[in-house]
Amino acid sequence: AQSVTQPDIHITVSEGASLELRCNYSYGATPYLFWYVQSPGQGLQLLLKYFSGDTLVQGIKGFEAEFKRSQSSFNLRKPSVHWSDAAEYFCAVGAGQAGTALIFGKGTTLSVSS
Amino acid sequence: NAGVTQTPKFQVLKTGQSMTLQCAQDMNHEYMSWYRQDPGMGLRLIHYSVGAGITDQGEVPNGYNVSRSTTEDFPLRLLSAAPSQTSVYFCASRGLAAQETQYFGPGTRLLVL
Repeated sequence: AQSVTQPDIHITVSEGASLELRCNYSYGATPYLFWYVQSPGQGLQLLLKYFSGDTLVQGIKGFEAEFKRSQSSFNLRKPSVHWSDAAEYFCAVGAGQAGTALIFGKGTTLSVSS
Repeated sequence: NAGVTQTPKFQVLKTGQSMTLQCAQDMNHEYMSWYRQDPGMGLRLIHYSVGAGITDQGEVPNGYNVSRSTTEDFPLRLLSAAPSQTSVYFCASRGLAAQETQYFGPGTRLLVL
């Protein structure tokens, strides 16, 4: 069965420091992979997605993620964190017909310290 | 173009009551789905649909019912509400191609007493 693991429940990063959020997935075929961000009381916004091709994916707000098939990972990175990046981040894998239905990880809460 | 809309935004129910959470999209998307979000659990798939007249179960379907009579609408029915169904519910839709972005509605916060 498909599954997504986000090992870090909560991460605190200083403003201006680099960020890496971890995501590991379990999926039988080539996965469709996503990162979403959710600010408090808000819905989900797509940061980036991977379907095929270049394993380094660029997203919005300066985020990028790298797909590593050998490690079953899809880690999210940002070189310099801003206070406005404080939010909850979800990794997801596409399941079902044509990857329609998403299986989410439990999320990582990012706090940014000044 | 309103995207994905959900009503109501907030609802309080008593145990045993039934209700329908509404979801509509105006993007002519084939695929629609319902998730619930609970603290520390992320989002879990309840039901999804790949087109009008076609629905399937997700991870946590028990206690919920869906139907898809039109492309635009995908209502979620709680048959007999239980406190365990207290959650935030999100509806999402996506176009036909797998590479298309899945759009989420703003959510419905449900409290079952």
